[in-house]
Amino acid sequence: RKEVEQDPGPFNVPEGATVAFNCTYSNSASQSFFWYRQDCRKEPKLLMSVYSSGNEDGRFTAQLNRASQYISLLIRDSKLSDSATYLCVVNSVSGGSNYKLTFGKGTLLTVNP
Amino acid sequence: NAGVTQTPKFRVLKTGQSMTLLCAQDMNHEYMYWYRQDPGMGLRLIHYSVGEGTTAKGEVPDGYNVSRLKKQNFLLGLESAAPSQTSVYFCASSYSSDGHLPEQYFGPGTRLTVT
Repeated sequence: RKEVEQDPGPFNVPEGATVAFNCTYSNSASQSFFWYRQDCRKEPKLLMSVYSSGNEDGRFTAQLNRASQYISLLIRDSKLSDSATYLCVVNSVSGGSNYKLTFGKGTLLTVNP
Repeated sequence: NAGVTQTPKFRVLKTGQSMTLLCAQDMNHEYMYWYRQDPGMGLRLIHYSVGEGTTAKGEVPDGYNVSRLKKQNFLLGLESAAPSQTSVYFCASSYSSDGHLPEQYFGPGTRLTVT
């Protein structure tokens, strides 16, 4: 099982649609979870951290299920500006080291007018 | 506050040439990272540093060396470039934490082509 696995996509949705991204991770010792956003030919930027209780930021909702080792991101009322690649990111814990993040391959979202 | 900056933005090398990519951050972050991003592969960690004077190998360190002589700078060296090192290179930094790993701030990237 890959360390971090995401929906391969791509997703093409109309403006106003609701879209959900799913991600699974293999290391049950992982403690930090994030969704990053990467625009075409730009650097990744943090979209939101993911907390055990779930968290919401405007139109974006992130959920974490530790038992299933599963993370999700829901985007409601999608906008053209939401078009980007969404990266699921989990900290890598190995040999006592907790300094590294592992990035999923990303899921490309295109929101169409 | 410039954040994380990378030099150069673009570079074309011939096989066997050497070069150094420079990453600088002005946020007083302890941790710094070098990644490469290739189509279909996602971001892969090359080397990282948890403090001035320390470095460690990541997932794909072969063919690269790094140095962290000053806290704000993290250099990535290619001693003898190969076409397989054609990629986009991102530097990132974060503050240190005893608990949950904090977010990483990325530089704008360096697009390297090796012919």
